[in-house]
Amino acid sequence: DGGITQSPKYLFRKEGQNVTLSCEQNLNHDAMYWYRQDPGQGLRLIYYSQIVNDFQKGDIAEGYSVSREKKESFPLTVTSAQKNPTAFYLCASSTKILSGPRTRYNEQFFGPGTRLTVL
Amino acid sequence: SQQGEEDPQALSIQEGENATMNCSYKTSINNLQWYRQNSGRGLVHLILIRSNEREKHSGRLRVTLDTSKKSSSLLITASRAADTASYFCATDEVAAGNKLTFGGGTRVLVKP
Repeated sequence: DGGITQSPKYLFRKEGQNVTLSCEQNLNHDAMYWYRQDPGQGLRLIYYSQIVNDFQKGDIAEGYSVSREKKESFPLTVTSAQKNPTAFYLCASSTKILSGPRTRYNEQFFGPGTRLTVL
Repeated sequence: SQQGEEDPQALSIQEGENATMNCSYKTSINNLQWYRQNSGRGLVHLILIRSNEREKHSGRLRVTLDTSKKSSSLLITASRAADTASYFCATDEVAAGNKLTFGGGTRVLVKP
């Protein structure tokens, strides 16, 4: 059963604690992404990775960290430096396609999300 | 404002009616994508339309793209209660390096 999974579904954190959100995919996708979604809003990109052992900051990377040690895994750590971490976090992945001299990526497949609440 | 702004922000229609929502963007794109999100869930990809395409269909969905106006529209025909969801457009910008920029979404309510 192929897909992209996130765990846990709900996560509660005390202020000052770091927490790590899991994202795993068995789709053999090259690229993986982390987004944050606040109530009634669109998605904002936190970090993304196009290849193992490499990742780039998105639009709101401050207070977050990631790693990409394996192709299928892209965990996100929400650190105590993130001032307003309560949000819905979505992980996504996509395949790479070659288009002439440039590499492009197909549509993104999303996990079910993790809802993080800071108490 | 953001790349990929949807209009309207919310839409309420009766089952069987058509729903149309629009997306505007600001910079050159490789493609534009539409996604659907049910409440509290992840997003599901609906359609990808490339910058050299003008119209695309998938079942009851019809997407148009006008690159001269930097806008796209998503039409859902013969809507059903199960179409109730938020719909997001996302742009793959030429200068953005293989990442998508999402708009704020259109919340669609289809009343039975």
